[in-house]
Amino acid sequence: EPEVTQTPSHQVTQMGQEVILRCVPISNHLYFYWYRQILGQKVEFLVSFYNNEISEKSEIFDDQFSVERPDGSNFTLKIRSTKLEDSAMYFCASSETPQGAEQYFGPGTRLTVT
Amino acid sequence: SQQGEEDPQALSIQEGENATMNCSYKTSINNLQWYRQNSGRGLVHLILIRSNEREKHSGRLRVTLDTSKKSSSLLITASRAADTASYFCATDARTGGFKTIFGAGTRLFVKA
Repeated sequence: EPEVTQTPSHQVTQMGQEVILRCVPISNHLYFYWYRQILGQKVEFLVSFYNNEISEKSEIFDDQFSVERPDGSNFTLKIRSTKLEDSAMYFCASSETPQGAEQYFGPGTRLTVT
Repeated sequence: SQQGEEDPQALSIQEGENATMNCSYKTSINNLQWYRQNSGRGLVHLILIRSNEREKHSGRLRVTLDTSKKSSSLLITASRAADTASYFCATDARTGGFKTIFGAGTRLFVKA
């Protein structure tokens, strides 16, 4: 069964450093998403992406964040200058169609900022 | 409260009992979905109900949607220890883009 994969599974970085989280969505999906989940809290929408551009972003997704689909398979989330409060699980998801479609989630990347 | 708030926050039941979780939301929606998350893992889609539907079944799951009250419920019948997880409702808001908002979740613990 096709699945969304994410790398790395755990990333430790120092405050102020840049990190890139990588995702490989399901191959025939066209809509891509990033979410984050601070430990013990709810899953928060960050951004959706379609046709090589951002469709929607939340207030969390400020200038420190960017997304890219550098090739036909990868979908990346970059945090330019990490802060302590960026420590969280980051989930990538993809879907065949937008609203009204099941989103398939990856296993997540645990980001720890020290 | 925020879009997609579940109650109860935590629920502990015996195996074989039914578990009911509720979700409320604030804005108009296209559809509402329920997801499950095992501790520290990714989310798994359970069921989707569209705004023009009132009830939907999938195996041991039954979902209802009341758009007039902006609420939904998820019923898991004959629960099993393996159902122990967190359950989240998620709504696709009617915005110009594609945005899914998750609730805070209900932690379900099923005792064997």
